[in-house]
Amino acid sequence: NAGVTQTPKFRVLKTGQSMTLLCAQDMNHEYMYWYRQDPGMGLRLIHYSVGEGTTAKGEVPDGYNVSRLKKQNFLLGLESAAPSQTSVYFCASSYEGIGNQPQHFGDGTRLSIL
Amino acid sequence: RKEVEQDPGPFNVPEGATVAFNCTYSNSASQSFFWYRQDCRKEPKLLMSVYSSGNEDGRFTAQLNRASQYISLLIRDSKLSDSATYLCVVNSLGSQGNLIFGKGTKLSVKP
Repeated sequence: NAGVTQTPKFRVLKTGQSMTLLCAQDMNHEYMYWYRQDPGMGLRLIHYSVGEGTTAKGEVPDGYNVSRLKKQNFLLGLESAAPSQTSVYFCASSYEGIGNQPQHFGDGTRLSIL
Repeated sequence: RKEVEQDPGPFNVPEGATVAFNCTYSNSASQSFFWYRQDCRKEPKLLMSVYSSGNEDGRFTAQLNRASQYISLLIRDSKLSDSATYLCVVNSLGSQGNLIFGKGTKLSVKP
C-alpha cells in the first residue's frame, strides 16, 4: 500500500517553462489537495478536489491549474513558472473533505525556478 | 487574528523533560482538531486527533478548550526522536471544511 505518491521528487525549471506535478493515491479517497510550503509561511492550500472531475480554488491558486480526470490522480500544472513558485509542494488526500478526517500526505516535490 | 496561531519556538529541552505546546484558533465554529508532526524535509504526518474530552496516546496528551479556543499538546518523557515541528490543524468551515495548518512549533530534544 503506497498511500500518496508524488512525482517528481525534485525539479529545477527556468522562468517561463511549464511542468506538471503528479499525485497518485491508492486509498480510494474522494478528496485530494495540493499545498505549497514556504519557510515561515506554513502549508497553504493551492487547489483541491472533492471528487473525480471536480476542482476548486484554495488560498493561493494564482499561477496554477489542476485536473482530476481519474479518482486516484490529481495533477498540478504550472503553465509559466515564476521564481515566486519556488517551494515544496505537497499533495494530500482524505476520505472525506468536511474536515473530520485527517489528510494523508505525499513526501513532497521540491521545485526550484531559476 | 490569524486562523491558527502557534508559538514557533524553538523549544529546546533535555531528554526526559515534559514539554507543552499551545495553539489558538479564531473560528469558534471549528469542529475538528489535529496535531501533525513534520520532520525536517519530510511530509506532515498525523500525530493525533484532538477530542473534546481530551485524549492520550502513550506519552502524548491533547486537550481542547472550546471556551478559550485553544488546543494543547503535552509530551512527557521526551525522547530524542520527538525532535520535529508540531503543526496544529483546525478545520475551516469557510471552504468546505478544509483544514487550516498552523505554522508549527519546533521542538529540539537534546541528550
